Amino acid sequence: NAGVMQNPRHLVRRRGQEARLRCSPMKGHSHVYWYRQLPEEGLKFMVYLQKENIIDESGMPKERFSAEFPKEGPSILRIQQVVRGDSAAYFCASSPIGQPGQENTEAFFGQGTRLTVV
Amino acid sequence: TQLLEQSPQFLSIQEGENLTVYCNSSSVFSSLQWYRQEPGEGPVLLVTVVTGGEVKKLKRLTFQFGDARKDSSLHITAAQTGDTGLYLCAGARSGGSNYKLTFGKGTLLTVNP
Repeated sequence: NAGVMQNPRHLVRRRGQEARLRCSPMKGHSHVYWYRQLPEEGLKFMVYLQKENIIDESGMPKERFSAEFPKEGPSILRIQQVVRGDSAAYFCASSPIGQPGQENTEAFFGQGTRLTVV
Repeated sequence: TQLLEQSPQFLSIQEGENLTVYCNSSSVFSSLQWYRQEPGEGPVLLVTVVTGGEVKKLKRLTFQFGDARKDSSLHITAAQTGDTGLYLCAGARSGGSNYKLTFGKGTLLTVNP
């Protein structure tokens, strides 16, 4: 059973370009979460999605950031017109139901996409 | 405001020593999880504790959840070089947003041979 797959592992973008990060959840998981890890900071919640629905995007910047989890295919985190401050590691996690903090329904994390904006 | 404070921030010890790292908060969590993250990788779940006062053992690792469910500790016995990594605690709150994990900044452990 493959784990959470994120790609690309590393992404370099120039200021002003778009970054598109992909996440395929574990088989059987329909709940996806995106977190951002800045240098010297802990992981910060960005958005929680179920298939075709955004449940909570309260942790996502209002401008330039969007996320989707279509009926078919991976979840996508899209950052438009990237700036240097967007450089970070972006992690996706998935869980079988929407209770990742509970036993037997924990969320599993992917290896992350490290975005560098030059 | 950092809801989960981890200490120490850095810890460097020799192989075979024991150590304890802490995760403290003024907030109550319905559950708390410990992860280990290696450079360039994602966090890997070690344990979930849900009951106040709970103690869980995973080989040489012992996890404790405080009685009031505000704090937790991780004790490693006879540390090995393979234990090197960033140890993160994460809490889930009760209620409508229990899907949102709050992470501490982590304790970076280095075990020297």
